[in-house]
Amino acid sequence: GAVVSQHPSRVICKSGTSVKIECRSLDFQATTMFWYRQFPKQSLMLMATSNEGSKATYEQGVEKDKFLINHASLTLSTLTVTSAHPEDSSFYICSASGSGRAGELFFGEGSRLTVL
Amino acid sequence: GENVEQHPSTLSVQEGDSAVIKCTYSDSASNYFPWYKQELGKRPQLIIDIRSNVGEKKDQRIAVTLNKTAKHFSLHITETQPEDSAVYFCAASMRENQGGKLIFGQGTELSVKP
Repeated sequence: GAVVSQHPSRVICKSGTSVKIECRSLDFQATTMFWYRQFPKQSLMLMATSNEGSKATYEQGVEKDKFLINHASLTLSTLTVTSAHPEDSSFYICSASGSGRAGELFFGEGSRLTVL
Repeated sequence: GENVEQHPSTLSVQEGDSAVIKCTYSDSASNYFPWYKQELGKRPQLIIDIRSNVGEKKDQRIAVTLNKTAKHFSLHITETQPEDSAVYFCAASMRENQGGKLIFGQGTELSVKP
């Protein structure tokens, strides 16, 4: 089956610093990747959609300058949380879809961000 | 945009009983409805999905029904077991060739008591 790997699984950082999370499709080309954020006991909220080689499309209310998304290749998308604050602490999950996969989405393991 | 409502938020059943979770969606253009099971701290796992050209789909103890006219779909789990305890999410999307974004419901925390 298709595998999506996310790294790091856990990260703790100080307030004001930036953190980068990577999402890789290991055995297929991911033409589209989605980034979600999940607060404790809540649902997955879509943050943005990224297509390889083009700018990400952000959902309403998501600050594009704070959550930088790069999808430079068909196997890698990155989410950078800039100037992180404690309220950014959350579980960030990526998902990917690719051509020839009948549109199914595959999720990464998720990254638990804690901002002190 | 699409909005997905899910009920109930919590559900407690006795082992062996059935569990039903219901979702409604707002965008009539949505045509793909997956259900995910998520254990604490882990990624969502697809358990079953249904496309808009089908009214019902079954996979062993799990079934999903879809009513396009009413814009609602339901997950049915029969003969529940303690290992079914988890949070379940419904989702909806418009599936083009390469897949559209998934919009999730609020989630249902299912507890199966032995």
